[in-house]
Amino acid sequence: ETGVTQTPRHLVMGMTNKKSLKCEQHLGHNAMYWYKQSAKKPLELMFVYNFKEQTENNSVPSRFSPECPNSSHLFLHLHTLQPEDSALYLCASSHVSNGSPSDEQFFGPGTRLTVL
Amino acid sequence: EDQVTQSPEALRLQEGESSSLNCSYTVSGLRGLFWYRQDPGKGPEFLFTLYSAGEEKEKERLKATLTKKESFLHITAPKPEDSATYLCAVHFYGGSQGNLIFGKGTKLSVKP
Repeated sequence: ETGVTQTPRHLVMGMTNKKSLKCEQHLGHNAMYWYKQSAKKPLELMFVYNFKEQTENNSVPSRFSPECPNSSHLFLHLHTLQPEDSALYLCASSHVSNGSPSDEQFFGPGTRLTVL
Repeated sequence: EDQVTQSPEALRLQEGESSSLNCSYTVSGLRGLFWYRQDPGKGPEFLFTLYSAGEEKEKERLKATLTKKESFLHITAPKPEDSATYLCAVHFYGGSQGNLIFGKGTKLSVKP
């Protein structure tokens, strides 16, 4: 595997279900990100992990819960979602050195989530 | 409020018909401006980073330029495989780590 991978690629869930999205990066990066992409809207940054520590949480509802066990893996745990949470969820990674982020973020293919 | 605006929203070209996409920004203290290409059902693919006014970068039929208020992505003699949505994003000094502000994108269609 190369680059950034995400599983599953597609997910349909009911509002009472609990599911998790997985992201893995094979680039040797040490920062990882979750984005939400909805139709007709710009990409929205949800969470940032730098050296496994969460450094950003852009006012995301608590029904989204991130987990970063190491610098290569990132999860997004989902529970009690709403239909408006249906979107493409993208994971990205970048290299951080000396506390300053590398600029380029590399994205995975995304998980297309549908909440019924 | 910091903002990134891309125009046009959609662009249809004939194969070989050159054109430009625009990305204007109002951030205070630009650290970097990024162009990405996104195909349907896929994640954005990194194209270019520009750091200072006057800078230019090229890749095949694409050329990105930067001024103090906007960036252009010039497409020379496009081919159907250049059809995609092109995203612009900025990172500004004082912004938190990784906090890129994205535009809504320009959807490019190139007809043979």
